[in-house]
Amino acid sequence: DAKTTQPPSMDCAEGRAANLPCNHSTISGNEYVYWYRQIHSQGPQYIIHGLKNNETNEMASLIITEDRKSSTLILPHATLRDTAVYYCIVRVVRGLAFGKGNQVVVIP
Amino acid sequence: GAGVSQSPRYKVAKRGQDVALRCDPISGHVSLFWYQQALGQGPEFLTYFQNEAQLDKSGLPSDRFFAERPEGSVSTLKIQRTQQEDSAVYLCASSLPVAAYNSPLHFGNGTRLTVT
Repeated sequence: DAKTTQPPSMDCAEGRAANLPCNHSTISGNEYVYWYRQIHSQGPQYIIHGLKNNETNEMASLIITEDRKSSTLILPHATLRDTAVYYCIVRVVRGLAFGKGNQVVVIP
Repeated sequence: GAGVSQSPRYKVAKRGQDVALRCDPISGHVSLFWYQQALGQGPEFLTYFQNEAQLDKSGLPSDRFFAERPEGSVSTLKIQRTQQEDSAVYLCASSLPVAAYNSPLHFGNGTRLTVT
């Protein structure tokens, strides 16, 4: 399974864009990159996913490098409710292989 | 529409008791997954089903853990003779067919199991 590497934690300023990095250097050509977040006492929440093209939805944007070895999740205007653990995951046959994620704290 | 529903939300069991955790997936989702999440860790894969077929159970930690999905919809995760190390949040997720990697998993809010 392709592994991902994220910083263990980061702070972001409320109202500013939050850029969350992820490395996935062993990703295969047909594997999708998924982003989830988890707020305490809730199940993981789907954010966005992509294969090779950049993607945008109502929650976030996903920028994938041309070589697909890394990606960045962008929360355009971070709010306090965006404080959560963010997981960058490569989708595999068995679903999702979570790591420890990135604890993101949005600061007022 | 309705999301993935899990029950009970909380379960306290005495060591040695059997427990059964229920998952109602999103209607029409043929793939169903169970994960275990220990405190401070990311979810760990346990098993997955496509319809009623259990295609991978390699993540089940011991033969005390058993999962079923007899009619390809509702699933039950059963833990026999619970031990303290079984204390965790058990998450269920569903998705369109697993071969479609372009298909997100949708998670329930889990069952928090505490074994005393």
